[in-house]
Amino acid sequence: DAKTTQPNSMESNEEEPVHLPCNHSTISGTDYIHWYRQLPSQGPEYVIHGLTSNVNNRMASLAIAEDRKSSTLILHRATLRDAAVYYCILRDVGTGGGADGLTFGKGTHLIIQP
Amino acid sequence: DTGVSQDPRHKITKRGQNVTFRCDPISEHNRLYWYRQTLGQGPEFLTYFQNEAQLEKSRLLSDRFSAERPKGSFSTLEIQRTEQGDSAMYLCASSYGTGQGCDFGPGTRLTVL
Repeated sequence: DAKTTQPNSMESNEEEPVHLPCNHSTISGTDYIHWYRQLPSQGPEYVIHGLTSNVNNRMASLAIAEDRKSSTLILHRATLRDAAVYYCILRDVGTGGGADGLTFGKGTHLIIQP
Repeated sequence: DTGVSQDPRHKITKRGQNVTFRCDPISEHNRLYWYRQTLGQGPEFLTYFQNEAQLEKSRLLSDRFSAERPKGSFSTLEIQRTEQGDSAMYLCASSYGTGQGCDFGPGTRLTVL
């Protein structure tokens, strides 16, 4: 899997939008961009994924740069429950079944201030 | 369906003992994954199954580790002759195909004394 680069930590205030960046300059054409988050003492939780177009779901929005070398996870209105480690992961679906495990980095530790 | 479940949630064992963990994936999911996570690190991929076939094993999976998914439903991960370095959170995840996200279980925390 191609590598991603994320800031180690970010801080935001409750009820404000949060933009979590991710750089993936070596992304290939068959790499999907996935985001997961992990709350303290829990397993990771799927947030969102996309290939080329921006994506929205009930949890967040994913903005993908036109050249796909970077992306941003947007939490529109952060709450204290959004405090977690956020992982940006590239998942190659073009290999037909091989190398399917997700490669997690260290992620971004998001701190929400009340 | 209540999601991916793992049993036990916590396991304390003495060095040299064997341990076995169980994972029950979401019923319609054909892919099942095992990960290991140590404190302060992201999860590390160990192995995955498509139905009952084990298709990939990480180099992290030493010969003391074995995983099975006998009927393509639940899976077990066994660690033989545990070592203190095996202390970690063992996470199971499942998905349907590769085009969607994975659902993770709550993990089994192993402590080897």
